[in-house]
Amino acid sequence: EVDLTQSPATLSLSPGERATLSCRASQNVNSYLAWYQQRPGQAPRLLIHDVSSRATGIPARFSGSGSGTDFTLTISSLEPEDAAFYYCQQRSKWPRTFGQGTRLEIK
Amino acid sequence: QVQLQESGPGLVKPSETLSLTCTVSGDSMRNYYWTWTRQSPGTGLEFLGYISYSGRANYMPSLKRRATISVDTSKNQFSLKLYYVTAADTAVYYCGASIEARWLDFWGQGMVVTVSS
Repeated sequence: EVDLTQSPATLSLSPGERATLSCRASQNVNSYLAWYQQRPGQAPRLLIHDVSSRATGIPARFSGSGSGTDFTLTISSLEPEDAAFYYCQQRSKWPRTFGQGTRLEIK
Repeated sequence: QVQLQESGPGLVKPSETLSLTCTVSGDSMRNYYWTWTRQSPGTGLEFLGYISYSGRANYMPSLKRRATISVDTSKNQFSLKLYYVTAADTAVYYCGASIEARWLDFWGQGMVVTVSS
C-alpha cells in the first residue's frame, strides 16, 4: 500500500499570501496524484488531478506540481474561502490511498 | 452535472450489515464509474471501491470480502453493503462518480453511519 505523508499538518496564513502544501509518497506514483479540498461540513471536492491539471471550475490560483514521490499544491494568493482541509490521493497502486490532510487556516 | 444522494440507516448494530444506497441524477449512469469512500477521525479518508455501469466491481483489500457494491441502472441507484460491521466501521460514507475510474470527480453530501448496540 502506498503511504502518502502530507506536511505541514496545519498552516496558518493571511489573505493574499501564498500557501505551499506538500505530499510525499512512500513509492513512485508517477503522475497519478490528485488534490482534494474539504471545507467544514462539506464533502471533499476534486481540485487538481494528474499532478497539475485543474478540475472543472477550479480557480487559476490553485496549481499542482511534482513527480515520482514529491508533490506540491500551491495556492498563489489566499482567499478567505480557501480555509479547508486539503488531501492528496494516489491511484498508481491499488488500493487507492489518501494522505492524512493539511489544515489551512486563514487568519 | 451529476448529483448524488446517499440514503440508509444511520445506526447499525455490531455484527450486522450496513446498507447504503446512492441515488444518481443529472446525467446518465453510463458516463461514470460509481464509488464509495468513507471518512472517520481515526483512519481519515478511505476509498472503499467502485463499480462500472455494467456491474464490474473492485474493492479495497482491507475490507476482506466484507463488502458488496451493486448497481441498479433502472432505478439510477447503486449500493454498498458492508457485512459484520464493528465500531471501526463508524464513519461518514460518501458515494461518488468517477470519470473512467480515474479520480473522484463528484461526491454526495455524505451520510453518518454509527455502529453501536
